[in-house]
Amino acid sequence: GAVVSQHPSWVICKSGTSVKIECRSLDFQATTMFWYRQFPKQSLMLMATSNEGSKATYEQGVEKDKFLINHASLTLSTLTVTSAHPEDSSFYICSAPNGQTNTEAFFGQGTRLTVV
Amino acid sequence: DAKTTQPTSMDCAEGRAANLPCNHSTISGNEYVYWYRQIHSQGPQYIIHGLKNNETNEMASLIITEDRKSSTLILPHATLRDTAVYYCIVRASSGGSNYKLTFGKGTLLTVNP
Repeated sequence: GAVVSQHPSWVICKSGTSVKIECRSLDFQATTMFWYRQFPKQSLMLMATSNEGSKATYEQGVEKDKFLINHASLTLSTLTVTSAHPEDSSFYICSAPNGQTNTEAFFGQGTRLTVV
Repeated sequence: DAKTTQPTSMDCAEGRAANLPCNHSTISGNEYVYWYRQIHSQGPQYIIHGLKNNETNEMASLIITEDRKSSTLILPHATLRDTAVYYCIVRASSGGSNYKLTFGKGTLLTVNP
């Protein structure tokens, strides 16, 4: 079945550096993907909607200049956390809707980011 | 999207049926009930969805009350691998370009041996 793959699964970076997370739809095309963030013991919070060939749409309170999203192809969206700080440490998850049925979303396995 | 209310946690014995309730009293006519689950440190996984009729698939059954104000997800024979947070989400089914989900706190189901 359809699979959404994220890379890397986990990453540790130093404060002030940038980290890029990739989200790929493996056997289907996704004109839209979604990025979520999940802090420990909390639920998923939508950060932004990634649109192929156009600008991402950010949820209220999410800094677009800090969380750069690029959706350059129908199978790849990237999230870059710029100038990362310890408070950005979180579990980042992407999803893409099932374009054939429009009934469910497929989620990546998530990326655990730790900023030290 | 309508708000949902779920118990914070539930326990179930392995091999028994797990019945997870969800209240969605403000659901509107065009909104579906979706269930996803999230196993620890993984991305969420779609389980099932329905509008007003009961639904069944290889993973679970979904029972929706006649007034649609509540529903129950049933895992007929729970296994240890079913231990996860289960999210009940109400949303209007629409095109994929608007497929964003609002997650509540969900129910932590613990299946015990």
